[in-house]
Amino acid sequence: EDKVVQSPLSLVVHEGDTVTLNCSYEVTNFRSLLWYKQEKKAPTFLFMLTSSGIEKKSGRLSSILDKKELFSILNITATQTGDSAVYLCAPRRYSGAGSYQLTFGKGTKLSVIP
Amino acid sequence: SAVISQKPSRDICQRGTSLTIQCQVDSQVTMMFWYRQQPGQSLTLIATANQGSEATYESGFVIDKFPISRPNLTFSTLTVSNMSPEDSSIYLCSVVGTGELDEQYFGPGTRLTVT
Repeated sequence: EDKVVQSPLSLVVHEGDTVTLNCSYEVTNFRSLLWYKQEKKAPTFLFMLTSSGIEKKSGRLSSILDKKELFSILNITATQTGDSAVYLCAPRRYSGAGSYQLTFGKGTKLSVIP
Repeated sequence: SAVISQKPSRDICQRGTSLTIQCQVDSQVTMMFWYRQQPGQSLTLIATANQGSEATYESGFVIDKFPISRPNLTFSTLTVSNMSPEDSSIYLCSVVGTGELDEQYFGPGTRLTVT
């Protein structure tokens, strides 16, 4: 059975701090890994990682994938209160017949204090 | 990225009734999915909505309880049938553009409360 473990489950930091969120996975027919930010209802897409060792960056957020060790990290530098959210890791696997599926971790709840 | 809309955004329903949620995308997409997020939980895939054929359901979800339609490449509906309080969740439509290399996006969600 596919497994996705995110750590820590929750994190409280002060504005300006740097945080690292972890995601380890065991997924059959792995193809890529996606990160999302969820504030209210809908997860917002952040990154999709397909290759090991290639960092993806968007502003203060960056992410990298290690397909050998089966993990990914999401870094947020100079955190702001607007970064407060649940961050979800979702490996994508090939499920057959041309279809792909995501398996979601429980998420890391980040709270940024002014 | 695809723009996805869902209707209704929220509803309060009585047990035993059914609710149909609509998902509309502004462009043709290959894959459409329906997810459920129960309170305090992460997202769980209900089914893959297949255009012109029956949906593919995940373990624990059945067509009689969650009938799904997908008449074309931009629209799908999910019905939650014979509702009970355990069905109170956020229901999310999600799409992938053209395949494996495409990002996956989520609709704004429907918050359902069953009393």
